Amino acid sequence: DSGVTQTPKHLITATGQRVTLRCSPRSGDLSVYWYQQSLDQGLQFLIQYYNGEERAKGNILERFSAQQFPDLHSELNLSSLELGDSALYFCASSPRGARTGELFFGEGSRLTVL
Amino acid sequence: QKEVEQDPGPLSVPEGAIVSLNCTYSNSAFQYFMWYRQYSRKGPELLMYTYSSGNKEDGRFTAQVDKSSKYISLFIRDSQPSDSATYLCAIGMGNQFYFGTGTSLTVIP
Repeated sequence: DSGVTQTPKHLITATGQRVTLRCSPRSGDLSVYWYQQSLDQGLQFLIQYYNGEERAKGNILERFSAQQFPDLHSELNLSSLELGDSALYFCASSPRGARTGELFFGEGSRLTVL
Repeated sequence: QKEVEQDPGPLSVPEGAIVSLNCTYSNSAFQYFMWYRQYSRKGPELLMYTYSSGNKEDGRFTAQVDKSSKYISLFIRDSQPSDSATYLCAIGMGNQFYFGTGTSLTVIP
């Protein structure tokens, strides 16, 4: 158990809908990363937050947004969903000040868009 | 061009074999080199990380980095069925990390 909690584990929804994925980082970790994993693209970096502030942005679509709250949990909002958004969404956290690549991943939220 | 390219596999080896997993990367500015292991339906877990060229050993696992060639490898000695998983290489600089697409490994008893 990595200590990172993601909910929901599975989500099935329809095109055009909006969903929110939630992540609770490990106790004490200030950084939260969101990744999308699909079969053909591998793990794609979406966005990173550090102590409530956006720190880095990857290939995140404009239809997607995220935030990190004062209690350090984070939410990834996906709107106007398309079939191609079906994927595993991972949240990862890292220790304060870590620059070692030591990311602790949750078990992911599997999104299916029908 | 992707930041990191990984040999896709899949690989299937008999128990006890030596396994070699490989990645190349494009930007010499990358500072950290990692290998993650991902079991089916689980999140990736960090296996090894290194900063410098050369070898780093941890039990049956050896990570090798060649910065001049922008090439990283993971060797698994005496492979076990429990090593069956997808292995992802990752590179990083600053706060950003990029992952390979993963190599699926099956170790046959």
